[in-house]
Amino acid sequence: AQTVTQSQPEMSVQEAETVTLSCTYDTSESDYYLFWYKQPPSRQMILVIRQEAYKQQNATENRFSVNFQKAAKSFSLKISDSQLGDAAMYFCAYRSERVWEYGNKLVFGAGTILRVKS
Amino acid sequence: SQTIHQWPATLVQPVGSPLSLECTVEGTSNPNLYWYRQAAGRGLQLLFYSVGIGQISSEVPQNLSASRPQDRQFILSSKKLLLSDSGFYLCAWIPTGGSGNTIYFGEGSWLTVV
Repeated sequence: AQTVTQSQPEMSVQEAETVTLSCTYDTSESDYYLFWYKQPPSRQMILVIRQEAYKQQNATENRFSVNFQKAAKSFSLKISDSQLGDAAMYFCAYRSERVWEYGNKLVFGAGTILRVKS
Repeated sequence: SQTIHQWPATLVQPVGSPLSLECTVEGTSNPNLYWYRQAAGRGLQLLFYSVGIGQISSEVPQNLSASRPQDRQFILSSKKLLLSDSGFYLCAWIPTGGSGNTIYFGEGSWLTVV
């Protein structure tokens, strides 16, 4: 079974600075998808960024970028120019490419609380 | 456009009472549907998922059950709630066969069992 590990329960960053959230995963598959979701105090789950395992290029969405290391099974999220609105719980998630076996379900890490200081 | 609705948003139920949370997706057909639970300060745990009407897969043994009576309706139920059932419940969906697509979540339901 696939597992996702986020080893940082909580992180802090000064406004306008850069922070990196860590995520590692365990799988025997070669094709899969990785995601970072943001959960603000409203509890709404918001997709931040996604990465296809077959793509070597790291995904980027504005101030958010990932460092995808497939061999190391590592998928970290870098937030540049941090803003107060970035304060939230961040979840790393894995999804298998094997749709009929795993039903497209997401496996989540335990989450990292990000606090942004002004 | 596709939307997902989940209700009720908040409920407080006594131990031993029944539960029914409902989730409906609009603007799509034959989606894959999911129920997740998030205990206080913790990650998301997949409870059930469904790839079609009447097809339910259970991930964790518990006193909860799920049903999919219609294509775009997913219901989470319990006959007798336990204190440990308290938490935040999220419904989610993805287009059928859309392995490359993103899973989208509803607004969530807060359940407090007292």
